[in-house]
Amino acid sequence: QSALTQPASVSGSPGQSITISCTGTNSDIGTYNFVSWYQQRPGKAPKLIISDVTNRPSGVSDRFSGSKSANTASLTIFGLQAEDEADYYCSSYTTSRTLIFGGGTKLTVL
Amino acid sequence: QVQLVESGGGVVQPGKSLRLSCAASGFTFRDFGMHWVRQAPGKGLEWVAIISYDEKSKYYADSVKGRFTISRDNSKNTLYLQMNSLRPEDTAVYYCANGAGAAAATFDYWGQGTRVTVSS
Repeated sequence: QSALTQPASVSGSPGQSITISCTGTNSDIGTYNFVSWYQQRPGKAPKLIISDVTNRPSGVSDRFSGSKSANTASLTIFGLQAEDEADYYCSSYTTSRTLIFGGGTKLTVL
Repeated sequence: QVQLVESGGGVVQPGKSLRLSCAASGFTFRDFGMHWVRQAPGKGLEWVAIISYDEKSKYYADSVKGRFTISRDNSKNTLYLQMNSLRPEDTAVYYCANGAGAAAATFDYWGQGTRVTVSS
């Protein structure tokens, strides 16, 4: 199964908002609300920031927000801060009972 | 607090085998499905395998199916990944993660990873 589709890179200035898209198919995002987002800083393990499309774990800033429409999920970061610069990955459960990741998006804070 | 500590990585020749371990603490290990996820150098995350809390269900990525086996010992709070017939493209950092939520589809906590290099 091919990876979910994410833009390779996005950028924004401090204080701005950005959105990262994650496009799948009817076999994954289109069927389940089991979409998660992860933040990964260089040399570190990924960190969960959004689960089940919209849920934010305790301790994660409310500047992070998730949504979904049809086969596409989105992560929006409001009020960009320098510390948000990282790689972001989406994941989804699939009809094959497997998991799949997006290719990852590098966020640059200008 | 939740801790996942991987071990067993190293340098191995193509065609050889390696077994990774993941020691869990800080949560009720036997209640959660567990995953292995890998990341090749400079590349994105790739899901590898999942095992249910009771070891009755196991699923694999097509890229490792038939070569890798996921298992667990709930009495030792430990997850394993037996990797056989290793290929250069299996070179990656391997992470274990616990599966939270319905279908254990959320990678709630991650270990620090163990590096596997397949090279002659």
